[in-house]
Formats: sequence, structure tokens, C-alpha cells
Amino acid sequence: GNSVTQMEGPVTLSEEAFLTINCTYTATGYPSLFWYVQYPGEGLQLLLKATKADDKGSNKGFEATYRKETTSFHLEKGSVQVSDSAVYFCALISGNQFYFGTGTSLTVIP
Amino acid sequence: NAGVMQNPRHLVRRRGQEARLRCSPMKGHSHVYWYRQLPEEGLKFMVYLQKENIIDESGMPKERFSAEFPKEGPSILRIQQVVRGDSAAYFCASSPLGLDNEQFFGPGTRLTVL
Repeated sequence: GNSVTQMEGPVTLSEEAFLTINCTYTATGYPSLFWYVQYPGEGLQLLLKATKADDKGSNKGFEATYRKETTSFHLEKGSVQVSDSAVYFCALISGNQFYFGTGTSLTVIP
Repeated sequence: NAGVMQNPRHLVRRRGQEARLRCSPMKGHSHVYWYRQLPEEGLKFMVYLQKENIIDESGMPKERFSAEFPKEGPSILRIQQVVRGDSAAYFCASSPLGLDNEQFFGPGTRLTVL
């Protein structure tokens, strides 16, 4: 079946620290992969996406590379800010459905 | 262009009552998706609709839950005879085309069943 596994949180970092949130997936075929971000009290917003192997999605300093050989799509940012505090969801599309990970809560402290 | 709108934002129901959640997709979007987010869990797909059609309802509980997206008006997620386990945040998303395109999410409706 299709599934997404994310590293469990919560994650707490100091401002300007390096961020990695791990995401691995199981899917039939070649899914498109996504990272969504949810700020407190809001809906999800698309952060970045990649549609084929070796593609790199990037936005607002965040990056993730579609690694088919390791079935991974890890999210990275070189220097986090307090405003990056949110919940991050890894997701894939397969067939008619989006499959989301359980989310990783990130808190960045000044 | 207004985003996806959901109302109400907060809904409180007693056990056995009905809950109606509304979703107005972005202008020009004809595909609507409903998700449920239980406490401490990720989003779970419930149903995918196009105008007047249910495309995929494999994530919907077989009883008490139904969804529609009429030709005119918002999409409605209806929960009959609510139970405490239905307490969750329900998110609606829309897209202009089918899957493999970005889905735009609404702010969600937080349902609390007393």
C-alpha cells in the first residue's frame, strides 16, 4: 500500500540552526511528493513539491530532493527562523488520494 | 481571489446531533477534497468530489458520514448522530484540475462533540 513516514516530533531548535525533517514513503509507481506547512490555527499550505526522481523542490529557504533509491524526501533548511515554527507534513499522491504523514511540530526559539 | 472558505470554524454538538460542515472552493476550482485530522495524528483522506459526483469515498466511514458537492453552492460534509470520537478538525481542499496538482486548503472546522 501507499504510506508516508515522518520523523516524530516535537523538534525544538535555536534560531539559525540547521533543520532536517526525515520523510520516507512507500508507493506503487512514481508518486509526486510534497511538503505542506500548517501554522497555528490555519489550514495547510504547500511549501514545495517534486514530481520525479532527483527533482529538488525549494521555497523560502527550504529544500527537499526526491530520492527514488532511498524512497525519501527529507526536508532541510540551513538556518531556521522563529517564524518557521509550525507543523510540517510530508505527503504523496497516488491514484486518487493524497497520503499524509503524521506531521512534525517544529518550534524555533530565539 | 478568495481562498478556500470553510464554515463554521468551530462547531459544538452533543452526542446524537447532526453536524454540517461547509466548504466553498476557490473560484474556478471544481475538485474538492475532505480530510480529517484527529488529535496528535496527521490528515486522513476522506472523500474526493467533483461537481455533482463523488469520485473517491474510500476514506469515509461507512455509516453516518456523507458528502456532496452540488452544482450550485458549497460542498457539504454531513455527520449524523455524532459521537465523541468524531471530535476532530475537518479540512477541505480544492484544486482546479485533478490530482497531481496543488491542493489549496481551507482553515478547517474544529468539531467538538460533548
